[in-house]
Amino acid sequence: ILNVEQSPQSLHVQEGDSTNFTCSFPSSNFYALHWYRWETAKSPEALFVMTLNGDEKKKGRISATLNTKEGYSYLYIKGSQPEDSATYLCALGSGDYKLSFGAGTTVTVRA
Amino acid sequence: ETGVTQTPRHLVMGMTNKKSLKCEQHLGHNAMYWYKQSAKKPLELMFVYSLEERVENNSVPSRFSPECPNSSHLFLHLHTLQPEDSALYLCASSPMAGPYEQYFGPGTRLTVT
Repeated sequence: ILNVEQSPQSLHVQEGDSTNFTCSFPSSNFYALHWYRWETAKSPEALFVMTLNGDEKKKGRISATLNTKEGYSYLYIKGSQPEDSATYLCALGSGDYKLSFGAGTTVTVRA
Repeated sequence: ETGVTQTPRHLVMGMTNKKSLKCEQHLGHNAMYWYKQSAKKPLELMFVYSLEERVENNSVPSRFSPECPNSSHLFLHLHTLQPEDSALYLCASSPMAGPYEQYFGPGTRLTVT
């Protein structure tokens, strides 16, 4: 299992503000980087799967970038809303059966 | 029902009990996974099944025993657990085993007393 780190562990955002957070991973043997959104008492849901260096993905107000050479991905939330409150997980796929998950960044949006 | 379902959603068991967790996927996927999630820790992969064959056992103690009778169903049989086994147990599936997008169930919250 590869060491995937997410920072910060948690953050509080005022409604309407934008925010971003980081996923760091070992850059060797890279296959794919996944982002999941996990609301309390629900199932984790896939947001993005990125495979190419320089990839940028967007879904509504949420977007993500990928740098495989330096081993990091950013997730951005623009104009945060209370429904964006969740834990955001990143996971590294590296060519075997596994996804190696980070511990997550928990976002709380204050109205 | 669609997606990945898990039953029960909550389970309290004593250390001498035997219980089973059930996972069912309605997505036509060929791979299924068990994960353990303890507070503030990353999801920890336990087992991977591909086409009903176990392809990964991530050094899990024998008190956890998986079973995959067909590609739609996955069980985790529990026996003589310890209090430190209390956690959220998540099931997931994917079209095939590998570093691909996984579809998760809502989990079973297990408490061992």
